[in-house]
Amino acid sequence: GAVVSQHPSRVICKSGTSVKIECRSLDFQATTMFWYRQFPKKSLMLMATSNEGSKATYEQGVEKDKFLINHASLTLSTLTVTSAHPEDSSFYICSAFTSGGHNEQFFGPGTRLTVL
Amino acid sequence: AQSVTQLGSHVSVSEGALVLLRCNYSSSVPPYLFWYVQYPNQGLQLLLKYTSAATLVKGINGFEAEFKKSETSFHLTKPSAHMSDAAEYFCAVRKSGNTPLVFGKGTRLSVIA
Repeated sequence: GAVVSQHPSRVICKSGTSVKIECRSLDFQATTMFWYRQFPKKSLMLMATSNEGSKATYEQGVEKDKFLINHASLTLSTLTVTSAHPEDSSFYICSAFTSGGHNEQFFGPGTRLTVL
Repeated sequence: AQSVTQLGSHVSVSEGALVLLRCNYSSSVPPYLFWYVQYPNQGLQLLLKYTSAATLVKGINGFEAEFKKSETSFHLTKPSAHMSDAAEYFCAVRKSGNTPLVFGKGTRLSVIA
């Protein structure tokens, strides 16, 4: 199946700093990417939908100025957590959608963010 | 709105016993349904998916699920549990096209030796 990578896999930062997470589709083009957040022992909550070349669509309750999403190319989307606080600590998972015969979402391995 | 309900946040079975993880969906139209598995500190792995081609869907690692429209269910089963099956399992639904998956709350499967 298609491969989606995330970088970094794990990051620890100080409160007040910004952290960028990259999501790449390695062997296919993804016009749409989704960003999810997963709290410990909880389910995945959709944060936003990212379409290449346009502004991301955020789910209700997700601060767009806090979680900046950029989808500059068909293989790369980035999530930047700005002015991170301890409550932003979580597992962030991206997913790339391919319509090329699959109509399926492929998930990245996730990024564990810990804000001190 | 599309949604799924997973009954039981934790299921414990003995090794070799039947695994049954329950999922009910809420949808006004025939949905796409999925089961994913997540091992600790890892991403999601697709077990199987229902896309209306067949009501009984076979997936990886010996898992299968049956779509029952009359019961609005898509329960996941495996005849004989292995220790390696211990993980978190998520049922998910997608309405159509490139709409995002909506996940259930997950069921943690424990396998007892």
